[in-house]
Amino acid sequence: GAGVSQSPRYKVAKRGQDVALRCDPISGHVSLFWYQQALGQGPEFLTYFQNEAQLDKSGLPSDRFFAERPEGSVSTLKIQRTQQEDSAVYLCASSSPQEDGTSPLHFGNGTRLTVT
Amino acid sequence: QKEVEQNSGPLSVPEGAIASLNCTYSDRVSQSFFWYRQYSGKSPELIMSIYSNGDKEDGRFTAQLNKASQYVSLLIRDSQPSDSATYLCAVGFQKLVFGTGTRLLVSP
Repeated sequence: GAGVSQSPRYKVAKRGQDVALRCDPISGHVSLFWYQQALGQGPEFLTYFQNEAQLDKSGLPSDRFFAERPEGSVSTLKIQRTQQEDSAVYLCASSSPQEDGTSPLHFGNGTRLTVT
Repeated sequence: QKEVEQNSGPLSVPEGAIASLNCTYSDRVSQSFFWYRQYSGKSPELIMSIYSNGDKEDGRFTAQLNKASQYVSLLIRDSQPSDSATYLCAVGFQKLVFGTGTRLLVSP
């Protein structure tokens, strides 16, 4: 596809429900990132994949958060037993090394999660 | 202490003026610095990257980096109302640390 695709665009969950957020990166991009952006804040790193390997999950706020990328392309971020503080925009980004050695991040439009 | 600091603004400038956005960071070993633009309700969009001390120009945008002072800035010349957005400073390699962003308002 032309860009990073995320679904759903909006999600409303009742407190305690489980949710799954999907990210379809740019074709061929090796690296995939999940960020969380609260209202009025900058994005906060959650986790990072290189192909199917989850290389860094230090930003996941609790063990209720789980991410996977089983075939090295599409990724799913799962949040179990959602809490109100989980309300935020969840951004997915992918990247691939450029000729100049940089790996700029390309962000999707995000999933806005509201927990009521 | 937040690792990347930005003034939240809003920074208001008239159309045609130069907008100056500033960012400081705490990690002395940081090597890569980025400016992202984020329109309300949209995703961040990369507009500039800089890796070496000094200035880097791209069209109306100039990024300035001073590693000794741990300071990076973005200048927007001939500001346009369409430049009105939140500008996010980000530091790091792949795993980026973002500031809270500076909201820029360009009035016609």
